[in-house]
Amino acid sequence: DGGITQSPKYLFRKEGQNVTLSCEQNLNHDAMYWYRQDPGQGLRLIYYSQIVNDFQKGDIAEGYSVSREKKESFPLTVTSAQKNPTAFYLCASSFGSSGNTIYFGEGSWLTVV
Amino acid sequence: GQQVMQIPQYQHVQEGEDFTTYCNSSTTLSNIQWYKQRPGGHPVFLIQLVKSGEVKKQKRLTFQFGEAKKNSSLHITATQTTDVGTYFCAKTDSWGKLQFGAGTQVVVTP
Repeated sequence: DGGITQSPKYLFRKEGQNVTLSCEQNLNHDAMYWYRQDPGQGLRLIYYSQIVNDFQKGDIAEGYSVSREKKESFPLTVTSAQKNPTAFYLCASSFGSSGNTIYFGEGSWLTVV
Repeated sequence: GQQVMQIPQYQHVQEGEDFTTYCNSSTTLSNIQWYKQRPGGHPVFLIQLVKSGEVKKQKRLTFQFGEAKKNSSLHITATQTTDVGTYFCAKTDSWGKLQFGAGTQVVVTP
């Protein structure tokens, strides 16, 4: 699972502030993903990108934004429009997007107070 | 989209016992993947099943893909404390993306 770095691991923010979570991979993977995990629940897809300069909304994209300017980087911004942003955020990548094995970063815990 | 359903949601197991967790879909699956997430950690890939009726083993873990390719199971024998965690199955949706089940959280009692 090495090669995917998320930062910061823990983040506290005030309500109404935008927050950007970093995700970098050195695995030369084409596809990158952002998932959200709430306590005791599964993984829900926020956004994904199959190629540089292109990304698509996942199942819960509202209140989030992403960019994919470089193959290695896929930052996620949690905007003030996200109604319940406190969660565990997981970045992942894979060689392709068609059912290939996904490798996850260690995650970022975001708490909004 | 259509999700995969995992049962049970929680599983308490005595150390040394066996247990099985199931993953069910209403539609035929092209493949199924299993991941394990330790408490406080991130999901880690365990295995992928592709063929109808396929059975794969990893030490004490046995993974099975149903004949109709609509369900899968994970059976763990002689459970150990290292088996603690949440086990997720994931299917490939029509867009080629992985869609995860809600997971089975496993607690092992020494």
